[in-house]
Amino acid sequence: SQELEQSPQSLIVQEGKNLTINCTSSKTLYGLYWYKQKYGEGLIFLMMLQKGGEEKSHEKITAKLDEKKQQSSLHITASQPSHAGIYLCGADRETGANNLFFGTGTRLTVIP
Amino acid sequence: SQTIHQWPATLVQPVGSPLSLECTVEGTSNPNLYWYRQAAGRGLQLLFYSVGIGQISSEVPQNLSASRPQDRQFILSSKKLLLSDSGFYLCAWSWTQDTEAFFGQGTRLTVV
Repeated sequence: SQELEQSPQSLIVQEGKNLTINCTSSKTLYGLYWYKQKYGEGLIFLMMLQKGGEEKSHEKITAKLDEKKQQSSLHITASQPSHAGIYLCGADRETGANNLFFGTGTRLTVIP
Repeated sequence: SQTIHQWPATLVQPVGSPLSLECTVEGTSNPNLYWYRQAAGRGLQLLFYSVGIGQISSEVPQNLSASRPQDRQFILSSKKLLLSDSGFYLCAWSWTQDTEAFFGQGTRLTVV
């Protein structure tokens, strides 16, 4: 079965520092999604990557998908307390139908 | 614009009692609809998805069922809740099977 490994599981950074979250699969991914979840709330869509080598940015968050489409990274520049939350990577199964499977998440804490 | 509503936000139910969680989408027609469950340490898991009225696909065997009585209404049900049904349930929608999903606020269910 396909699995997504996310690392680190938790991350505590000082405000203003940069950080990176990784998401790795043993199989080629057909679509890679990054979501952010605040505790007890729904998921907020951040970015979707589909092509090998693709990179997207939104404000201070950049996501990349490697050429083999097996690894993605989420990079936050100059972190702020508003960036705190749980970051989840999700990927499409081969069968499609938005049948996403997710990593276990990375809990990010930003210390002011 | 499109919005998704999910309720209730929190629910405490005794073992053996029935369950009904409702999700509705506004501002779009014929969306793909999804129910996910987030269990501690296991990330998100897709439970059901629907591509149209009355069409339900189940991804995992379980004590729950789903129904789509109207185009933009998706209901998650159980006749008798188990302790293991506790968790955080998220409803989501997407335009098609290949586009990103947008999530509701979630329902935290505690079975006691």
